[in-house]
Amino acid sequence: QQQVKQSPQSLIVQKGGIPIINCAYENTAFDYFPWYQQFPGKGPALLIAIRPDVSEKKEGRFTISFNKSAKQFSLHIMDSQPGDSATYFCAANSGYALNFGKGTSLLVTP
Amino acid sequence: DGGITQSPKYLFRKEGQNVTLSCEQNLNHDAMYWYRQDPGQGLRLIYYSQIVNDFQKGDIAEGYSVSREKKESFPLTVTSAQKNPTAFYLCASSKSSSGANVLTFGAGSRLTVL
Repeated sequence: QQQVKQSPQSLIVQKGGIPIINCAYENTAFDYFPWYQQFPGKGPALLIAIRPDVSEKKEGRFTISFNKSAKQFSLHIMDSQPGDSATYFCAANSGYALNFGKGTSLLVTP
Repeated sequence: DGGITQSPKYLFRKEGQNVTLSCEQNLNHDAMYWYRQDPGQGLRLIYYSQIVNDFQKGDIAEGYSVSREKKESFPLTVTSAQKNPTAFYLCASSKSSSGANVLTFGAGSRLTVL
């Protein structure tokens, strides 16, 4: 049973565009929501994370928007670059381990 | 440099054989995890360990076994009971298993059953 639902499964944008990846959850006990970035053949790496007591967090070109009442959060990549092409996973902390979404494969074309 | 080392990177197994994937960390992290990654399925938790000599089943533990005899090491055995073992296996560690547990992942081991 997927505790974190992620969409879309894949995404293609042109360089400079703003891809948006969405995630939804049901368990209100989740209290930490990270995003991980994974390049082919590598392990995922933490990109940015948010707590439910804030509605937005920015780190460089990456922004998380969090809507606690809707139980949704999203990742925005400003001024996307071909080097951002990767798989992105949202996750939520269940108290002992992270529950991951199914991932979004992002391709940024030149 | 601190990090997580997984070996082997690629492994081929015949049906009916057990195989063990190695995971070593030098980050002095207490918690360690094994995830399985399949295309379009995300990362699914197999086992996790919060302290030495203790571990718990994750969502898909059937057909797998682990041990945690040392803080630095958390090997995963894929047994013949695992019906569909071909996958990319990721080991991770974190300082603790609660709260904002930032996971550090290894580079993964790809297992293929022939």
